[in-house]
Amino acid sequence: DIQMTQSPSSLSASVGDRVTITCRASQGISNSLAWFQHKPGKAPKSLIYAASSLQSGVPSKFSGSGSGTDFTLTISSLQPEDFATYYCQQYNSYPLTFGGGTKVEIK
Amino acid sequence: EVQLLESGGGLEQPGGSLRLSCAASGFTFSKYGMTWVRQAPGKGLEWVSAISGGGGSAYYADSVKGRFTISRDNSKNTLYLQMNSLRVEDTAVYYCAKLVVYARGAFDYWGQGTLVTVSS
Repeated sequence: DIQMTQSPSSLSASVGDRVTITCRASQGISNSLAWFQHKPGKAPKSLIYAASSLQSGVPSKFSGSGSGTDFTLTISSLQPEDFATYYCQQYNSYPLTFGGGTKVEIK
Repeated sequence: EVQLLESGGGLEQPGGSLRLSCAASGFTFSKYGMTWVRQAPGKGLEWVSAISGGGGSAYYADSVKGRFTISRDNSKNTLYLQMNSLRVEDTAVYYCAKLVVYARGAFDYWGQGTLVTVSS
């Protein structure tokens, strides 16, 4: 199985900050990587697929990059609605696997 | 507008069974793979199972293989998850999600989730 390792597991940031989350796959997954945002009590929201493509309706402050084993999610200017937990997920092969999550909290 | 609505969650004893349903609308259901993902209390997201658009291929996490069965009824636009031999560790919110392709790929839309509690 492919293991997905996210870092950091949590971070504190201020409104307006630029935030970067990293995700590493235990083996190469090409660009078969997605990012999700999850808020308590809500449905997860799909942000990015194919490592760098924005899902429809997702604002351009979110961006993704990477290929192979190393990936990043960047939020260019953090807004109050962006405080949430973010997950990466590989869909290169079954079983699908998620990273452990990164909780973005208000500083 | 794509909508996914889960139902069937509840309280069940260890060793018992539950069947979850996910009613889909707003897209041609049979053209897309579907999946179940869960989140246990205080834990992260865990992929559970997926099924191809026609239902001919199904995939499972090791943690549920042999106990859970995913299926779909394309005439009813509904996805199912039959959960047998339930364990305390199966306690979670279960989400269904739509894949962007027929068999294996990214997810785009998610349901709101249904809570399954396994406890004596």
